[in-house]
Amino acid sequence: NAGVTQTPKFRVLKTGQSMTLLCAQDMNHEYMYWYRQDPGMGLRLIHYSVGEGTTAKGEVPDGYNVSRLKKQNFLLGLESAAPSQTSVYFCASSYFGREQYFGPGTRLTVT
Amino acid sequence: SQQGEEDPQALSIQEGENATMNCSYKTSINNLQWYRQNSGRGLVHLILIRSNEREKHSGRLRVTLDTSKKSSSLLITASRAADTASYFCATPPNTNAGKSTFGDGTTLTVKP
Repeated sequence: NAGVTQTPKFRVLKTGQSMTLLCAQDMNHEYMYWYRQDPGMGLRLIHYSVGEGTTAKGEVPDGYNVSRLKKQNFLLGLESAAPSQTSVYFCASSYFGREQYFGPGTRLTVT
Repeated sequence: SQQGEEDPQALSIQEGENATMNCSYKTSINNLQWYRQNSGRGLVHLILIRSNEREKHSGRLRVTLDTSKKSSSLLITASRAADTASYFCATPPNTNAGKSTFGDGTTLTVKP
């Protein structure tokens, strides 16, 4: 039982490049979330999903897209990376609105 | 704006003392959750309190919830150096509003 895993752990992008972050959970959770955390701050919700095939915008969705084609996977895409997207990205999942289980994070730097 | 807002932003205490952190939120909730984050790591769930509960205990943790004031508190008793971390309160995402569920946290430092 791996819980929530994130791929990759680190990534450096140049401005304008694109990438996809993968989140996988093996707990059969309905809800999945993508957050970003900037230094010294809390988590800000980017997008979330309440079930396979559904996605919804969070607080800071601009510049990101997501897909939930399979229940266990939640992908976060950056189509054209900007330095302002330099951050640590956390994925989480939960059994509906209950406690969230977090992945270890992806540290992304955009130069 | 943030759904959960913690207070104080930073707290420094001696080992053995108690630490109290507060959280305020804006909308109605089904439950409120507290998390801990060690530096550079993901968040770990500590305790969940339902909207119909007023107090909940888990080991050295005590959480209270006042839905009339839209506030919650986390008390850590007999603190240890290993309790040094950031603590966040959170509520489930509101499907309609999509507001952020985490505040900026309280950074707790426990000195040995």
